[in-house]
Formats: sequence, C-alpha cells, structure tokens
Amino acid sequence: DTAVSQTPKYLVTQMGNDKSIKCEQNLGHDTMYWYKQDSKKFLKIMFSYNNKELIINETVPNRFSPKSPDKAHLNLHINSLELGDSAVYFCASSQAVGVGTDSGNTIYFGEGSWLTVV
Amino acid sequence: DAKTTQPNSMESNEEEPVHLPCNHSTISGTDYIHWYRQLPSQGPEYVIHGLTSNVNNRMASLAIAEDRKSSTLILHRATLRDAAVYYCILRASGTYKYIFGTGTRLKVLA
Repeated sequence: DTAVSQTPKYLVTQMGNDKSIKCEQNLGHDTMYWYKQDSKKFLKIMFSYNNKELIINETVPNRFSPKSPDKAHLNLHINSLELGDSAVYFCASSQAVGVGTDSGNTIYFGEGSWLTVV
Repeated sequence: DAKTTQPNSMESNEEEPVHLPCNHSTISGTDYIHWYRQLPSQGPEYVIHGLTSNVNNRMASLAIAEDRKSSTLILHRATLRDAAVYYCILRASGTYKYIFGTGTRLKVLA
C-alpha cells in the first residue's frame, strides 16, 4: 500500500475551472502538508494541517483552499485556475512535532499531481 | 528561516563515493539538518538527518562540522539509481516547516 497517495496523478484543465486534488495517508500521522513545485523545480510549502487544524498557511492566493475532513486526508481545492497554477503539487505527512520531543520528524511525500492549466 | 547553500550540480562515477556539501552558516542551536532526495518524476524521499553528531544509516552518512555551519552527505558507493536532486534542509525543533532550497543535481556516470 502506498503510504501517501494523491489523485489524480495528471490533470489538464482550462483556465477559470475549479479543480480538486485529493490526498490520503495511511501512516497514522497527525500532520499533513501541501507543497508546490514549479517549472524551475523550487519546492515550496503551501499549507500544513495538524489533526485537522490549519497550522501553516504560506502566502498563497485564497483561490487555494485546503480541506481536512479527518487527519488521514488533506484535499486541495483550487478555484478559477490560472496559467501560473501549472505545477506539480505534492502532498506529504509526518508525525506531529513537539518541542523537546524531536526525533527528526521525517516527512513522507506522495508521488505528486501534475497540474497543467491551458 | 535559516538558509542552506548547495552546489547546483555534481557528477560522480558509478561505484565511487560522493560527497555532497551544504553550507548553513545561519543555523541556530535547535535546527536539525535534514537531507532529502528527489528521483526523477517522484516526490522527495528522506535520506538522513542529524543535529550535532555524525550519523550513518543504510542509505548514506552525514558528516556535520563541529561549528555546525556546514554538513556533507556521503554516498559511499554511488549507483545509477542515486541520480537525483539532493536537498539539504534545516528544520527548527518543534516546528513543522521544512524549507527546501534549490538542491544539488547529482549525475552518476556509468
């Protein structure tokens, strides 16, 4: 079983459309993330949820809305898609992090969702 | 956020050791040093991490300078499957935020 799975793997859509990418992790982790990797291969964090609560919200247009129905799922909904949204979106998860209890907190990434906006 | 600096690319011959350097001169005392790698068309995967002491695991070794301002990821015998982008990342203890830099693209020559 894939630890962090995301769907769809490939998505081609027109400008102005609304689309969602789904993510599920079966590792029992409390924390999930969305990262965006653009054409220049920079990998930037977008959001992070811990136990369904938003804890990181980087400077991302409000057209992007994450939703976490439970701690095993973190979906990404994008409204009014623009050409610049074309990228690879990675979902990831990790154990919760606590000060003084750090053991490295490895992040596990999904295989990515290739979004192309035309 | 603490920043890391890595060479854009490196080459190695197959079966030879590879030393991938990372500078992190602004590291704070509670920052962990993590290394991830991203194989073509895949998500990043964990390689190794450390705080102060050198670390070894089945994938690699991590050598951390005494002043912690730099570190080196060591692949003892590079294989073609090790061709990837290697990211050196600092993560403050107790935070969820991993900041990825530009990484080093490792090319392994047969």
